[in-house]
Amino acid sequence: DGGITQSPKYLFRKEGQNVTLSCEQNLNHDAMYWYRQDPGQGLRLIYYSQIVNDFQKGDIAEGYSVSREKKESFPLTVTSAQKNPTAFYLCASRLNSDNEQFFGPGTRLTVL
Amino acid sequence: DAKTTQPPSMDCAEGRAANLPCNHSTISGNEYVYWYRQIHSQGPQYIIHGLKNNETNEMASLIITEDRKSSTLILPHATLRDTAVYYCIVRVAGTGGFKTIFGAGTRLFVKA
Repeated sequence: DGGITQSPKYLFRKEGQNVTLSCEQNLNHDAMYWYRQDPGQGLRLIYYSQIVNDFQKGDIAEGYSVSREKKESFPLTVTSAQKNPTAFYLCASRLNSDNEQFFGPGTRLTVL
Repeated sequence: DAKTTQPPSMDCAEGRAANLPCNHSTISGNEYVYWYRQIHSQGPQYIIHGLKNNETNEMASLIITEDRKSSTLILPHATLRDTAVYYCIVRVAGTGGFKTIFGAGTRLFVKA
């Protein structure tokens, strides 16, 4: 089945630790995106990538880092510099700029 | 950047049409209007999109005003499973391609 996967679904970390969230897609999409969602709020764009080895900051990139070494993978690292990392993280992909986004199931990160 | 304005919440009776409004008064000529919905704790799901003309698919209809400053998403026969947050989005051109910015959306409650 084609789709976009995120793992794990729930993740717990101690404060001060970096953590990497996985996002993989087998849809052959060029563009990939990371969003953050806080309770009762909309989605906020963290980073996005239009092609391999290239990515741009979104609206709330501070404290996060990404890489795009392969077309199908776009991992997000939440660093210790992110002051309030507990949130629901959503990954998405899009074939090109004229198409809709497909979203993964999300990872709920809790920092203790 | 073009922004959207949606009512924070709406109710609809099961079996009736749900009409969700969206204002996007600063939309530019080449920007599309997209609608997504998010059921609790899941990734958003694409519903429909349009540029100028009204659009219909198996999920919904999209009515865009002639001046393109507002649109309405219509779920013709709402069911309890349509209870979700509905996002109206205008595509924004950013460095390296199109960003997609999500607002807070409209929380639709479908009641039996």
